[in-house]
Amino acid sequence: NAGVTQTPKFRILKIGQSMTLQCTQDMNHNYMYWYRQDPGMGLKLIYYSVGAGITDKGEVPNGYNVSRSTTEDFPLRLELAAPSQTSVYFCATTTVSSYNSPLHFGNGTRLTVT
Amino acid sequence: KNEVEQSPQNLTAQEGEFITINCSYSVGISALHWLQQHPGGGIVSLFMLSSGKKKHGRLIATINIQEKHSSLHITASHPRDSAVYICAEPYGGSQGNLIFGKGTKLSVKP
Repeated sequence: NAGVTQTPKFRILKIGQSMTLQCTQDMNHNYMYWYRQDPGMGLKLIYYSVGAGITDKGEVPNGYNVSRSTTEDFPLRLELAAPSQTSVYFCATTTVSSYNSPLHFGNGTRLTVT
Repeated sequence: KNEVEQSPQNLTAQEGEFITINCSYSVGISALHWLQQHPGGGIVSLFMLSSGKKKHGRLIATINIQEKHSSLHITASHPRDSAVYICAEPYGGSQGNLIFGKGTKLSVKP
C-alpha cells in the first residue's frame, strides 16, 4: 500500500499561473484534508472532504479550489498563483474523522510563487 | 479563541537525556493528537489520546483533561529523535477539523 501520495514534490510558479496539486490515497479513507504550512506557523486547513462529492472550506480557502469525484483523489487547484501562496502543502486522510482516528499525511508539495 | 500552545519552541538535548514537550489547548473536544515532522518534512501521527497515558517504545504521552494540558516525553533520547513535534486538537464540528500548535523543534546531539 502506497498510503497517501502527493505530486509534485516541488514546483515553482510565476505569479498568475495555475496548477493542480494531486493527492491520491489507497486506504479507502472517507475524510481527506488539504493543509498549508508556513514557516513558524501551525498547519492551516484549506479545504476538506468527508466523502466523494462532498467538499467544504477550511480556515484559509481563498485562492484555492478542490473537487472530490472519487474516494481516492482529492486535487487542490490554484487558479491565479500569488506570492502569498508560497508554502508547503500537505494532504492528509483519516477513516472516520480526526476525532477518532489518526491522520495519515502525504510527503508534501513545496510550492514557490515568484 | 481556539488555541494550541506548545513549549518550548526549540529544545536541544544530549543523547540519553529525558525530554519533555508541553502542549496546552483550549477546547478540549475528543482526542488530542501528537505528530512528528521529520527533518525531510514528512509528518507521521504518534499518538491520539483523550485520557491518561499512552506509551510507544521510548515515547510517552500524557494528558490532563481538567487542566487542558498534555505532555510528550522521550526517554533515553537519540539523535534520530531530532524532529519537530506538533500537537493538535479537534476544534468543533463533526468533521474533526484540527487546530495545530506551531511545533517544538528538538535537536538531540550525540
